[in-house]
Amino acid sequence: KQEVTQIPAALSVPEGENLVLNCSFTDSAIYNLQWFRQDPGKGLTSLLLIQSSQREQTSGRLNASLDKSSGRSTLYIAASQPGDSATYLCAVRNTDKLIFGTGTRLQVFP
Amino acid sequence: GAVVSQHPSWVICKSGTSVKIECRSLDFQATTMFWYRQFPKQSLMLMATSNEGSKATYEQGVEKDKFLINHASLTLSTLTVTSAHPEDSSFYICSAGEGTGYNEQFFGPGTRLTVL
Repeated sequence: KQEVTQIPAALSVPEGENLVLNCSFTDSAIYNLQWFRQDPGKGLTSLLLIQSSQREQTSGRLNASLDKSSGRSTLYIAASQPGDSATYLCAVRNTDKLIFGTGTRLQVFP
Repeated sequence: GAVVSQHPSWVICKSGTSVKIECRSLDFQATTMFWYRQFPKQSLMLMATSNEGSKATYEQGVEKDKFLINHASLTLSTLTVTSAHPEDSSFYICSAGEGTGYNEQFFGPGTRLTVL
């Protein structure tokens, strides 16, 4: 059974710092991995989707990497801003289902 | 990008009543839709997968008689919480994708259910 874990569970940093959020999964036979952002009481916003054949994806200040063999992904946020404050979820697909991680609650203070 | 809507965005009901939540794909045909539940400060837990025109597939531990799912068309799936109780209070989120579940899923904004 696929299990997805995210570390740290919570993170509070001053504005401007570069951040790394970690995601690990137990079954490496995945089709893709996706990073989402969730604001309090809201739905999910897709940030980046990495196919199993890819090593990384970039969008603006965000960069996600994937090491399928070791069951790990990282989300790198450059020059963090208060508007980045949210919960970040990673999710892996290894059948027709998305299995979500436990999430990292990020707070960026001015 | 593809848009998925949910209605209502929030609902408050009395214990013992039934509540229906709608999930619609607005600009694409969703062969597969997924229903998730999220408790406060927890991650999303998949409840069931529904395919248009067939019965939903429920995850282990999810009561199919309590959470009725109907996927009658390629743009609409409904989740009905029957005889709701306070422990059913949660945030319910649907997602939809074209073709099989292997394709990218697009998520709705969620429905906050509070059962008094």
